[in-house]
Amino acid sequence: GAGVSQSPSNKVTEKGKDVELRCDPISGHTALYWYRQSLGQGLEFLIYFQGNSAPDKSGLPSDRFSAERTGGSVSTLTIQRTQQEDSAVYLCASSFASGSSYEQFFGPGTRLTVL
Amino acid sequence: KQEVTQIPAALSVPEGENLVLNCSFTDSAIYNLQWFRQDPGKGLTSLLLIQSSQREQTSGRLNASLDKSSGRSTLYIAASQPGDSATYLCAAYRGSTLGRLYFGRGTQLTVWP
Repeated sequence: GAGVSQSPSNKVTEKGKDVELRCDPISGHTALYWYRQSLGQGLEFLIYFQGNSAPDKSGLPSDRFSAERTGGSVSTLTIQRTQQEDSAVYLCASSFASGSSYEQFFGPGTRLTVL
Repeated sequence: KQEVTQIPAALSVPEGENLVLNCSFTDSAIYNLQWFRQDPGKGLTSLLLIQSSQREQTSGRLNASLDKSSGRSTLYIAASQPGDSATYLCAAYRGSTLGRLYFGRGTQLTVWP
């Protein structure tokens, strides 16, 4: 079956612009996660959704970052007034349900470059 | 906070060798541990998930073990092949944090023919 998909695969933007990154989870997966992988850094957690609600937003680095999920499926991560330090690969993952018993499956990522 | 460390950071071996990649974590109150591989410019591919009630999992030439008491997991790759070249990441689940993963920095593996 189809895996997690993300769009766009690459995004180049100018400092100060807003960007939207999209994630389509595996069909039937209720839990959805956003992570960020910066050059030379490990993967860091950003936000987690269970259905349409976000019980854990603790990883969002600033109030310029927000995310939403509609219909228990597609999620959008929005970065407002982008800064150069926002340049990274943004990865989305989904799992059948929340909790540690369920494998997380990752999408290919969106590479964001802020000039 | 959960800290996950992977050793070595990089490894280069000839084809056919058996390998051990190490992962250690600071908080023994993890539930499960998941191993991934990441190819350059790609997302993560799940390799193995070890539940807290298990001590190891096997898939083909891969075997992963988990020792919560010592805070360690190892990924064993038998008879390595050039196609195994990738970055291998381990990630720990803490029971209190709703399934978010804590990642190590990874081991970059190169297997040469």
